[in-house]
Amino acid sequence: QQQVKQSPQSLIVQKGGISIINCAYENTAFDYFPWYQQFPGKGPALLIAIRPDVSEKKEGRFTISFNKSAKQFSLHIMDSQPGDSATYFCAASMNSGGYQKVTFGTGTKLQVIP
Amino acid sequence: SAVISQKPSRDICQRGTSLTIQCQVDSQVTMMFWYRQQPGQSLTLIATANQGSEATYESGFVIDKFPISRPNLTFSTLTVSNMSPEDSSIYLCSVSRSGEQFFGPGTRLTVL
Repeated sequence: QQQVKQSPQSLIVQKGGISIINCAYENTAFDYFPWYQQFPGKGPALLIAIRPDVSEKKEGRFTISFNKSAKQFSLHIMDSQPGDSATYFCAASMNSGGYQKVTFGTGTKLQVIP
Repeated sequence: SAVISQKPSRDICQRGTSLTIQCQVDSQVTMMFWYRQQPGQSLTLIATANQGSEATYESGFVIDKFPISRPNLTFSTLTVSNMSPEDSSIYLCSVSRSGEQFFGPGTRLTVL
């Protein structure tokens, strides 16, 4: 059962544009929602994260919007740059036996074209 | 953050053989995690390794196929046993620190 749904699967954005990736979850026990960025040949790297008691979090050009009632959250990349071209994974985690168990979305391959 | 290294970075193996992947962390951690990422796919948790106890496997993964060792607080190994082409994937080691999860660079395995 896919507990975190992510869309779109791929995205092409012009340099300077806004990239938007959406995710939805089912399990209300999730209490932490990170986004990961993965470049080819590398492991995923934590980009930004949010807790459900906050509706928005911004770090530089990256913003997470969170809608608890709809069980949806999204990543916005402002002023997208070619260097942002990567695969982005949303995730949701919950405490499970003393550690945070993470469930990943299916990933979005972003290409920013000059 | 956490600095995580994995060996080997990639390998090509023959069907029926086994490969052991090593994961080293820059400082002590309680929990270590092993993930599989099939080509173009998301990350799937294989098992959680706690030092001093047997690993806990997720549904669909068994110890005979993916034995894990955790001899100390900075090191773990994952063995992919009796490999088939379906095992071709990236295998990622991960640790949790201060509630965040950090990943190693991965081991890209190709099984012929």
